[in-house]
Amino acid sequence: NAGVTQTPKFRVLKTGQSMTLLCAQDMNHEYMYWYRQDPGMGLRLIHYSVGEGTTAKGEVPDGYNVSRLKKQNFLLGLESAAPSQTSVYFCASSYAERETQYFGPGTRLLVL
Amino acid sequence: SQQGEEDPQALSIQEGENATMNCSYKTSINNLQWYRQNSGRGLVHLILIRSNEREKHSGRLRVTLDTSKKSSSLLITASRAADTASYFCATLNSGNTPLVFGKGTRLSVIA
Repeated sequence: NAGVTQTPKFRVLKTGQSMTLLCAQDMNHEYMYWYRQDPGMGLRLIHYSVGEGTTAKGEVPDGYNVSRLKKQNFLLGLESAAPSQTSVYFCASSYAERETQYFGPGTRLLVL
Repeated sequence: SQQGEEDPQALSIQEGENATMNCSYKTSINNLQWYRQNSGRGLVHLILIRSNEREKHSGRLRVTLDTSKKSSSLLITASRAADTASYFCATLNSGNTPLVFGKGTRLSVIA
């Protein structure tokens, strides 16, 4: 089992460029989440999904879009990157909402 | 908005000593979870304690929960250099909105 994987590991973007971060899990989990982590801010939830074909907004959704076309994949899109989106992005999944979350290794994004 | 707040923000101890971290929260919870994050890595789940539980153990870890004070503590006994990491509490409130993470405690264990 690979658990939760994230692609890419590191990316540099210029302001205004777009990109998609991919999260994949092989644990047949229903719930998937995207967080961003900034120094001194802890983890903040961007968007989450409670099952294939569903998405919901978290605490900081502006500037991001997500899709969950397949149960095992959760994509995070930045349509027009801004320097404020420089961060480390983590994906996580869980069997149920009340249970343990399993995290990916993170994607470091630098927006210049 | 952060629900849980860890205290202290940073803690430095000698190897072999015990480390205690605290988490306070504001609203009623369904459960409270502790996670560890090594530098440059993703978070790893340590312990989940439900609102009707008062104490749980896992190896050298002991977690307590006091719902009347809306607080939890994580005790790491006989600490090792490998315990050096950031520790986060996360709360799932009774309204079942998604897990909310605190800002973490940075623990340094000096050999």
